[in-house]
Amino acid sequence: SQQGEEDPQALSIQEGENATMNCSYKTSINNLQWYRQNSGRGLVHLILIRSNEREKHSGRLRVTLDTSKKSSSLLITASRAADTASYFCATDRSNTGKLIFGQGTTLQVKP
Amino acid sequence: NAGVTQTPKFRVLKTGQSMTLLCAQDMNHEYMYWYRQDPGMGLRLIHYSVGEGTTAKGEVPDGYNVSRLKKQNFLLGLESAAPSQTSVYFCASSYTGELFFGEGSRLTVL
Repeated sequence: SQQGEEDPQALSIQEGENATMNCSYKTSINNLQWYRQNSGRGLVHLILIRSNEREKHSGRLRVTLDTSKKSSSLLITASRAADTASYFCATDRSNTGKLIFGQGTTLQVKP
Repeated sequence: NAGVTQTPKFRVLKTGQSMTLLCAQDMNHEYMYWYRQDPGMGLRLIHYSVGEGTTAKGEVPDGYNVSRLKKQNFLLGLESAAPSQTSVYFCASSYTGELFFGEGSRLTVL
């Protein structure tokens, strides 16, 4: 069963705009991670946020975590055409890397 | 620096045939995983390993077997392939919880 649900399933924006993706999960977690997948490729790790953290930044990425609401959001600022990809949240309950993935958000950034 | 390498990248099988997918990592990671990805779904964990000589079941282990005889290799076997096993298979390795993925193996079972 999927732990995470992502919203929206698909998002289309213009280059330069911000993109926000949301993830909700069901059980307590040790950490939550975000991955990017370009079409036909493997997943690439973007950022990891631990359960005792509320916000984390990495370049143009900002991730928030609200454990009381069991939700997380990924914000990509000043998007580029190269950001076009699918984005997945994944939860780790035991810090063993046994991740449970959401269904993903497909982001299209139009030049 | 190859990272995680999966072979083969593509394979077509007939129902009932067997095959093995090979995953190799050169990062000296203890943890290795096999996931499958189906259209419209996220990845689901098949089996995983926390070290050489150890394996454990994940979320969807039925119809698959695995072996980790060497630390750098993690093999996924299908003893009798079924059409429901048509999928893209991803191997990953980890040291600190962040996963490093291979490029995937696309398997079609006719």
